[in-house]
Amino acid sequence: DTAVSQTPKYLVTQMGNDKSIKCEQNLGHDTMYWYKQDSKKFLKIMFSYNNKELIINETVPNRFSPKSPDKAHLNLHINSLELGDSAVYFCASSKTAGYGYTFGSGTRLTVV
Amino acid sequence: GENVEQHPSTLSVQEGDSAVIKCTYSDSASNYFPWYKQELGKRPQLIIDIRSNVGEKKDQRIAVTLNKTAKHFSLHITETQPEDSAVYFCAASISSGGGADGLTFGKGTHLIIQP
Repeated sequence: DTAVSQTPKYLVTQMGNDKSIKCEQNLGHDTMYWYKQDSKKFLKIMFSYNNKELIINETVPNRFSPKSPDKAHLNLHINSLELGDSAVYFCASSKTAGYGYTFGSGTRLTVV
Repeated sequence: GENVEQHPSTLSVQEGDSAVIKCTYSDSASNYFPWYKQELGKRPQLIIDIRSNVGEKKDQRIAVTLNKTAKHFSLHITETQPEDSAVYFCAASISSGGGADGLTFGKGTHLIIQP
């Protein structure tokens, strides 16, 4: 069983479209995150949720909206996609703050 | 907020030699320091971590040291093997229990093991 699963693995879409990425963890962790990894491999936090509540919302465009229907799921919806949104998006979960993350396999988003 | 600097950005060593990657952090309240390994096209995976109440931790060929006073920590890999080739990330966070403080990552070190 995959501990943190993300879908889709690849996403190619045109500028201006709206898309969603789904993430689910079966580890019973309380905390989930979204990170963006750019072409230079830099991992930057976007959002974190603790027990369905938004805790961290870094400076990302408000075109990005996370949703956590329950503590096992954290989805990311992106409106009006732009070329600069092209990156790998990783979902991760941790037992709580101060514990290591388990990452999902990543979603490679390409905006054309 | 926290800022984590990581050096070098690229490190090439001969197989069998040791590799050392260094990181510094800015927030003295940070107390949890994990290291991740990311192979090409794969997800980052936790390889070792250390908390601020410990100065050193070892796990087979890898070790991490922490100097709280100087606010720096290092990853040491001994007897390097070809499968150690990857990008390594250090990170720091504040473990406040009950919160969801995210990890701040360094920019990564591309470790190349030369045969």
